[in-house]
Amino acid sequence: SQQGEEDPQALSIQEGENATMNCSYKTSINNLQWYRQNSGRGLVHLILIRSNEREKHSGRLRVTLDTSKKSSSLLITASRAADTASYFCATDANQAGTALIFGKGTTLSVSS
Amino acid sequence: KAGVTQTPRYLIKTRGQQVTLSCSPISGHRSVSWYQQTPGQGLQFLFEYFSETQRNKGNFPGRFSGRQFSNSRSEMNVSTLELGDSALYLCASSLGPSGYTFGSGTRLTVV
Repeated sequence: SQQGEEDPQALSIQEGENATMNCSYKTSINNLQWYRQNSGRGLVHLILIRSNEREKHSGRLRVTLDTSKKSSSLLITASRAADTASYFCATDANQAGTALIFGKGTTLSVSS
Repeated sequence: KAGVTQTPRYLIKTRGQQVTLSCSPISGHRSVSWYQQTPGQGLQFLFEYFSETQRNKGNFPGRFSGRQFSNSRSEMNVSTLELGDSALYLCASSLGPSGYTFGSGTRLTVV
């Protein structure tokens, strides 16, 4: 079963705009991760935020985590056409963190 | 350094056949996980191996099995293939639970 649910399912923006994707999950977590997938290829790890962190930055990416609401958001600033991809949040399924439970993903389309 | 290598990239099999997929993790990574991705069910965890032992298993029928060798390379096997097994199978390796490196996947089509 899916742990995370991303919102929106699809997002279309222009280059230079910001893109925000949200993720909700159901159970307590050790960490939450965001991944990108280009056109049915492998997943690329973007960023990990631990349950005791509230915000994390990596380049043009900003991730927030609200454990009280069981939700996270991924912000991509100044989007580029190359950011066009599907984005997934993933939470660890157990304390050992050896399995990830993914949401259904947000498909981002950035047009120039 | 070399990434996670999955072979083959594409595979077409007939219902009832069996298939073996291979995954070579990043050198030094002892944990290898497998995931199935379909349009309907999304990304679902199959199993995870660490030092040749299955450490965790997802909710899949016994037709799905795997193993890991002493060099950390892993294989997964699906027996008695069904049309619904058509999917992208992804392998990931890691040093620990702080981030996984995924391969490009094997696209399996069952006809």
